[in-house]
Amino acid sequence: GNSVTQMEGPVTLSEEAFLTINCTYTATGYPSLFWYVQYPGEGLQLLLKATKADDKGSNKGFEATYRKETTSFHLEKGSVQVSDSAVYFCALSDSGGSNYKLTFGKGTLLTVNP
Amino acid sequence: GAGVSQSPSNKVTEKGKDVELRCDPISGHTALYWYRQSLGQGLEFLIYFQGNSAPDKSGLPSDRFSAERTGGSVSTLTIQRTQQEDSAVYLCASSLDIGINEQFFGPGTRLTVL
Repeated sequence: GNSVTQMEGPVTLSEEAFLTINCTYTATGYPSLFWYVQYPGEGLQLLLKATKADDKGSNKGFEATYRKETTSFHLEKGSVQVSDSAVYFCALSDSGGSNYKLTFGKGTLLTVNP
Repeated sequence: GAGVSQSPSNKVTEKGKDVELRCDPISGHTALYWYRQSLGQGLEFLIYFQGNSAPDKSGLPSDRFSAERTGGSVSTLTIQRTQQEDSAVYLCASSLDIGINEQFFGPGTRLTVL
C-alpha cells in the first residue's frame, strides 16, 4: 500500500535559519505529492504540490522537488520566520483508481524562535 | 460559505453514546472527504463522497461508523456506541472534483469520549 515517511520532530530553529523537512514515499504508479501546513488553531492548508517527476512546487518561500529516483519530496525554505511555526504534513495521492484519497505522513512540528 | 465548516468544534461524550458530526463543504464542490487525526495513527482517510454516493467506505474503522451526504452538500458522520479509542479530531475536506484537485479542509471536530 501507499505510505509516507517524514522526519520526526519537533524541529526548533532560530529566525532566518535554513529549513529542511525530509519526506519519502512508497506508492504504486506515479502519485501526486503535497505539503500541507496546519497553523495553531487552524485547519490544514495546502502549501504546495507537484504532480509529476522533477516538478518543483513552491509557495511562500517554501519549495519541494518531486524526485522519482529517490522517491522523495523534501520541503525547504531558505530563511524561516516566526510565523512559519506550524505542523507540516507530507502527503500523496495515488495516480490510479484511488486518486481521491490522501495518504499523510505523521507530521513535523516546527517552532521558529525570534 | 467561504470555506469548509464543521460543527461542533468540540464534543465531549460518554462511552456508549452516539454522536453526529456535521460538515458543510464549499459551495459547488462535488467531492467531500472525511479524515481522522489521532495521536497514535496520524491522519487517516475514512470515506469520501462524489455527489451523494460513497464509492469507498473502506477507511471506516468499524460498523459503528457511518456517513451520509444529502443534496450533494452537507455531510454527517455518525459514530454509534462510542468508545474511548474513537477520541480524535475528525476532519472534513471538499474539492471541486476527485483526483488531483486541491482538497480544502475544515477546522475539525475534536471528539473526546470519556
